[in-house]
Amino acid sequence: KNEVEQSPQNLTAQEGEFITINCSYSVGISALHWLQQHPGGGIVSLFMLSSGKKKHGRLIATINIQEKHSSLHITASHPRDSAVYICARRETSGSRLTFGEGTQLTVNP
Amino acid sequence: SAVISQKPSRDICQRGTSLTIQCQVDSQVTMMFWYRQQPGQSLTLIATANQGSEATYESGFVIDKFPISRPNLTFSTLTVSNMSPEDSSIYLCSVGQGPDTQYFGPGTRLTVL
Repeated sequence: KNEVEQSPQNLTAQEGEFITINCSYSVGISALHWLQQHPGGGIVSLFMLSSGKKKHGRLIATINIQEKHSSLHITASHPRDSAVYICARRETSGSRLTFGEGTQLTVNP
Repeated sequence: SAVISQKPSRDICQRGTSLTIQCQVDSQVTMMFWYRQQPGQSLTLIATANQGSEATYESGFVIDKFPISRPNLTFSTLTVSNMSPEDSSIYLCSVGQGPDTQYFGPGTRLTVL
């Protein structure tokens, strides 16, 4: 069992839909990251969460430490949101990240 | 924030050769990380490179195959040695600035024929 599990693995949506990607982890964390990877391979860090909720534009990330679960929401999705979304847990000590397998999101116009 | 550049952005190499990937950061950072992402897989940490000390390799990765240099606080190289097609991956460097922030380079897409 992966230390970090994401669902769904693949998600196809129509433009304008509300999207949720889930991430569960099995061991304690100091923080959880949500990353976006575009087809060229480059990775952009979207959020770092240790508690509660963060919002940036149309993106919202939440985390429930007790349940070891985080969600990434995209409101009013757009084709340019098409990418792989990866969650990663940061160990309780140090800067090492353990990654989920990613969710491939495709938003159709 | 930290801006990270990598060279080359992509390369196609022959089996048995070696490729050195460079990672340049626009600010001084203590810890740099090298990751590999094989096709269809998530990222796997290869090693942690701290300036002034030997790199720390993760299980399954060895220095002879992936030698790393860290000559100063803004630069690191990863060499993929004696390449085989199984080494075809995206290689990414990453830096941590404080406990809450992680930045990633654009990646180097390597194809080994």
